[in-house]
Amino acid sequence: GENVEQHPSTLSVQEGDSAVIKCTYSDSASNYFPWYKQELGKRPQLIIDIRSNVGEKKDQRIAVTLNKTAKHFSLHITETQPEDSAVYFCAASKYDYKLSFGAGTTVTVRA
Amino acid sequence: DVKVTQSSRYLVKRTGEKVFLECVQDMDHENMFWYRQDPGLGLRLIYFSYDVKMKEKGDIPEGYSVSREKKERFSLILESASTNQTSMYLCASSAPGRSYEQYFGPGTRLTVT
Repeated sequence: GENVEQHPSTLSVQEGDSAVIKCTYSDSASNYFPWYKQELGKRPQLIIDIRSNVGEKKDQRIAVTLNKTAKHFSLHITETQPEDSAVYFCAASKYDYKLSFGAGTTVTVRA
Repeated sequence: DVKVTQSSRYLVKRTGEKVFLECVQDMDHENMFWYRQDPGLGLRLIYFSYDVKMKEKGDIPEGYSVSREKKERFSLILESASTNQTSMYLCASSAPGRSYEQYFGPGTRLTVT
């Protein structure tokens, strides 16, 4: 089955700096790559996703990139703010099938 | 606005007990999922269902079963609870063709003593 690895497990950044989280996947047939954000004590929520026919996608301060050849994708958060502090999960799936999640990255934005 | 609810936020059970966790969604979603979340392990899929009375094993189905008698309700059953099943359990649902966009419930923190 699909194996998704996520790095780093924890990330501490100064407010205003950028944060980058990287994920790799094993199944070359995977074609959906969503990212979820889970704030402390709350449920995970989809924040952005990218499909295999797109190399990059942006939504305000967040962006995702995908390298299908290398089978890795990344989340970039620019101009980080305290409300960006959360656990972020990457995931992969194929053909509208089940999601395989990474282990998560705990992001702390220091004021 | 999608609403996914779970029957309990916190649950304490004894080893060997049969445990039922219930999940209800109000958006007429075909797809429903059960995950457990443990520190450092992310979200691991236990079972999922694409339709009423249909179920498929996820990555860690051992020790669990599920039931989906109605479209809006998906139950997770621990036949004989064990201490290694102490965890946070999250239910999710999604529309057909959009399994990448899952809506999660608030979670049930289960402690087995």
